[in-house]
Amino acid sequence: SQTIHQWPATLVQPVGSPLSLECTVEGTSNPNLYWYRQAAGRGLQLLFYSVGIGQISSEVPQNLSASRPQDRQFILSSKKLLLSDSGFYLCAWISGAGELFFGEGSRLTVL
Amino acid sequence: GEDVEQSLFLSVREGDSSVINCTYTDSSSTYLYWYKQEPGAGLQLLTYIFSNMDMKQDQRLTVLLNKKDKHLSLRIADTQTGDSAIYFCAETWDNYGQNFVFGPGTRLSVLP
Repeated sequence: SQTIHQWPATLVQPVGSPLSLECTVEGTSNPNLYWYRQAAGRGLQLLFYSVGIGQISSEVPQNLSASRPQDRQFILSSKKLLLSDSGFYLCAWISGAGELFFGEGSRLTVL
Repeated sequence: GEDVEQSLFLSVREGDSSVINCTYTDSSSTYLYWYKQEPGAGLQLLTYIFSNMDMKQDQRLTVLLNKKDKHLSLRIADTQTGDSAIYFCAETWDNYGQNFVFGPGTRLSVLP
C-alpha cells in the first residue's frame, strides 16, 4: 500500500534561517506531488506541485522553493525564513482515481 | 473565479446529527470531496461524490449535492466525540491535484 511521510513534524526557526521540509512517498512510482500551506480559518493554499523528477511548478510567488531530486522525494526549502512563513505545511500525492492523500503535516514557527 | 465557502464553526451534542454545509462557485466541478483533519494531523479523505450524483451514503455519512444551488452537505449521524475535527469541502473539475479548491474548513465540536 502507499504511504506518505513528511518531517520534521514541528520546527521552530529564527527569522533569516534556512528551511528544509522533506516528504517521501512509498508504494507508488512517478506520483504527482504537492506542497500546500494551511492558514487558520482559510483553505489550503497550493504552493508547488511536481509531475516528475526535476519538474517544479510554482503556484504563488513567495520566499519558498521546492525541489524533487528523486521520484518519491519532494522538498520544500527557504534560504531565509520570514515571519510570514509560519504555518502548517502539508505534502500530498494524487492517485490515479483523483484522490489526494496527505502527509501528517509540518508545523513551522518562525520567531 | 473559483471559491468554496463553509461556516467556520459548528457545535453539536453527542448522539445528535451534524450537518456541515459547503457552497462552491465553479459549475464545471466534476468531483466534490469531504476531508477530515484531526488536531495536528494531515487531511484524511472521508468521502467524495461525482457531479452526476445527488446523494451518497457511507455508514454514518451522507453526502447531498444540489448542483442547481452549487451546495454540498455532509451529514454525520449519531455524532461521536471522535468526530470532533475540521472538515474541508473541496472541488475539482479534473483528476489533477493542482486544480483542487479547498474551503476554509468547518471546525466541528462535539459536546458530551
